Amino acid sequence: DAGITQSPRHKVTETGTPVTLRCHQTENHRYMYWYRQDPGHGLRLIHYSYGVKDTDKGEVSDGYSVSRSKTEDFLLTLESATSSQTSVYFCAISDYNEQFFGPGTRLTVL
Amino acid sequence: AQTVTQSQPEMSVQEAETVTLSCTYDTSENNYYLFWYKQPPSRQMILVIRQEAYKQQNATENRFSVNFQKAAKSFSLKISDSQLGDTAMYFCAFIHSSGSEKLVFGKGTKLTVNP
Repeated sequence: DAGITQSPRHKVTETGTPVTLRCHQTENHRYMYWYRQDPGHGLRLIHYSYGVKDTDKGEVSDGYSVSRSKTEDFLLTLESATSSQTSVYFCAISDYNEQFFGPGTRLTVL
Repeated sequence: AQTVTQSQPEMSVQEAETVTLSCTYDTSENNYYLFWYKQPPSRQMILVIRQEAYKQQNATENRFSVNFQKAAKSFSLKISDSQLGDTAMYFCAFIHSSGSEKLVFGKGTKLTVNP
């Protein structure tokens, strides 16, 4: 299995609070991704990174920001969480086309 | 924009039988990859099989095989000798072989294998 961890695995927070999710890899892969998974929508790309300090927006980036200061870490931040951001968040890594996924983080915004 | 369509939200099959999950995609590119991912109740996303668009031969991985029809932009997954452990959500996904490395997913098919 690819070495990808996500933290926390579960989080409950209140509307308006900041939240940061962390993705950590031990594979030294160039590309890292954040997805959200919601019923009826499959997985949708939020942001991705193609190198240290190189990031770009995905399909559903509004309300999210990311940072990648090291190859192994990719952070997803919700500056002010809203109930619509209640979801399961997946991190993925890739070196060449094939993506490997982390275990997911279930985030609930009350 | 690229899209991936899975027209079967739910399917069921009896244990030991064969089932086929459908997937169509839309792209103007010629070089790309297609994938099927499995997501069991544990929520982990597991790569089942991949297909390179430039290869005419259909990919096979043990009991899993695909029927790749490039002209029709169709990429179906066949599961033979279905097992209870095959119960899961199955997602079809597409990525260009060059460019931004962004994976596009279908909305998934929930497969239930009945004993």
